[in-house]
Amino acid sequence: KQEVTQIPAALSVPEGENLVLNCSFTDSAIYNLQWFRQDPGKGLTSLLLIQSSQREQTSGRLNASLDKSSGRSTLYIAASQPGDSATYLCAVNSGGGADGLTFGKGTHLIIQP
Amino acid sequence: EPEVTQTPSHQVTQMGQEVILRCVPISNHLYFYWYRQILGQKVEFLVSFYNNEISEKSEIFDDQFSVERPDGSNFTLKIRSTKLEDSAMYFCATSIERSNTEAFFGQGTRLTVV
Repeated sequence: KQEVTQIPAALSVPEGENLVLNCSFTDSAIYNLQWFRQDPGKGLTSLLLIQSSQREQTSGRLNASLDKSSGRSTLYIAASQPGDSATYLCAVNSGGGADGLTFGKGTHLIIQP
Repeated sequence: EPEVTQTPSHQVTQMGQEVILRCVPISNHLYFYWYRQILGQKVEFLVSFYNNEISEKSEIFDDQFSVERPDGSNFTLKIRSTKLEDSAMYFCATSIERSNTEAFFGQGTRLTVV
């Protein structure tokens, strides 16, 4: 059964810093990995999707990498801003007949002005 | 930008009552999903739906749950007899294809069972 773990659970940094959020998964046979942002009491906003054949994806100040063989992904946020404060969720699609995403518990990020 | 729309945003119901949560998928998407998130816990997959039938369901999706697309636009999740432990945020998600495409989530319905 796929398990997704995110480290750290919480992170507080000053504005302007570059930071890395980590995600690991136990079964490397995935179709893709998706990073989401969740604001308090709100829905999930898709940030980046990395297919299993890809090594990284970039969108603006965000860069996500995937090392499928080691079961790891990182989300790199450059030049952090207070508006980046949110919970960041990692989710994997294991395919093989499984439709649903398996989520980690998230990293709660606070960017201090 | 196209988005997944869920109604209501918040519903309070008494234990034992039936509730129906509604979702309007993105128009050209073919796969529909329901997830739930109990307060402080992970987002969990409930069910996927394609071509007017359930494609996959999790252990959570027992006989008290059902899904349908009654009118070709709305996608609904029905909980027949709500329990206190059904209190959670319920998210609808849609994707163009199965498995290998990006999933887009709605803003969620917060269900409170009292």
